[in-house]
Amino acid sequence: DQQVKQNSPSLSVQEGRISILNCDYTNSMFDYFLWYKKYPAEGPTFLISISSIKDKNEDGRFTVFLNKSAKHLSLHIVPSQPGDSAVYFCAATPGSGDKLTFGTGTRLAVRP
Amino acid sequence: GAGVSQSPRYKVAKRGQDVALRCDPISGHVSLFWYQQALGQGPEFLTYFQNEAQLDKSGLPSDRFFAERPEGSVSTLKIQRTQQEDSAVYLCASSLDRSPLHFGNGTRLTVT
Repeated sequence: DQQVKQNSPSLSVQEGRISILNCDYTNSMFDYFLWYKKYPAEGPTFLISISSIKDKNEDGRFTVFLNKSAKHLSLHIVPSQPGDSAVYFCAATPGSGDKLTFGTGTRLAVRP
Repeated sequence: GAGVSQSPRYKVAKRGQDVALRCDPISGHVSLFWYQQALGQGPEFLTYFQNEAQLDKSGLPSDRFFAERPEGSVSTLKIQRTQQEDSAVYLCASSLDRSPLHFGNGTRLTVT
């Protein structure tokens, strides 16, 4: 039972345009959500998070949106840069500091 | 070093051998997690320590898997009588209380 789903295994975007990565979850107990970025042969690196009391969190070029009623969150990257090319994992937890449940990842390729 | 350190980076084991994977968390980080990442999948939770106490081992797939953190710092994940399905990247992560996880680069285990 996949509690966190990333239905797009890959995404290709032109440099300078917006990248939108999507994530759906099924467990109503999740109330803290994170995005991690992973380069080959490295561990995941924390990117941005959002608590369920918010619907938006922004950090530079990265914005995460949360729609609790739809159990859906998205990561927007604008403008996209070639260095953003990586695998992005969505993760969720019932409380910050608790174990994370990850999606299967979306591979983003930003074309120069 | 400033990050989570894992060793070895790569391990090849013959089926039936025992292996031990080491994790050095960030100094002062109370929480330590082990995750297993199969090819093309997201990381899956194995076990969690708070200092030396193993508070959750619900993700360990069988009694062949054993983890310890005797002094509340370095942790070892041991897999006995390895099987081919154990082939994966094993990720260790640490955190201060209720903060995002910092991952190491993982140990890639291949069982032949």
